[in-house]
Amino acid sequence: QSVLTQPPSVSGAPGQRVTISCTGSSSNIGTGHDVHWYQHLPGTAPRLLIYGNNNRPSGIPDRFSASKSATSASLAITGLQAEDEGDYYCQSYDRRLSAVFGGGTKVTVL
Amino acid sequence: EVQLVESGGGLVEPGRSLRLSCTASGFKFGDYAMNWVRQAPGKGLEWIGFIKSAPYGGTIEYAASVKGRFIISRDDSKNIAYLQMNSVKTEDTAVYYCTDLQFYYYMDVWGKGTTVTVTS
Repeated sequence: QSVLTQPPSVSGAPGQRVTISCTGSSSNIGTGHDVHWYQHLPGTAPRLLIYGNNNRPSGIPDRFSASKSATSASLAITGLQAEDEGDYYCQSYDRRLSAVFGGGTKVTVL
Repeated sequence: EVQLVESGGGLVEPGRSLRLSCTASGFKFGDYAMNWVRQAPGKGLEWIGFIKSAPYGGTIEYAASVKGRFIISRDDSKNIAYLQMNSVKTEDTAVYYCTDLQFYYYMDVWGKGTTVTVTS
């Protein structure tokens, strides 16, 4: 049971928009700590996708965007592509548990 | 080029010890916190622990699942971070990743990982 809750899977057709939710609590996201997102494609190391709630590192396409509200966050992928298929994780800081990850969401491109 | 390379993984028996290394290059190692994350087979990413840089007191924090068994350290003269794994359990079987840890607790640079298998 992860401290940050993500849906196990989402799917969409090429070109569609999918969103992944990340639900936390008053001890992590709700304390104002930033939410970050990682992409983990098969056979590769995880990659930072979004940092500081809604900032993309250089090289990350603007098809990826994110937002944060009180105790939750969400990642959106627009113009879904076959190469986006993989696992996506949110991450934040919890005042009791330190760094924490969500359980991960598998994105399937239909 | 900024790079992190993990080494030291392999097969280890339950109850034994193993030390992983993370060799950094391409950035000023001593200025950055270093961090370890693992992924067990079929599971998600799990944060293990981090060690802050000397300017930030070298603070170390661990996940509850490894606290008291794993020790994180660093040698800034060699640009290496270590993960000493003691009293290993079968549930410690995973790919172990070394990352940096930025000020707002995100992980920008990742190594390719090293695999640890705990088995008798």
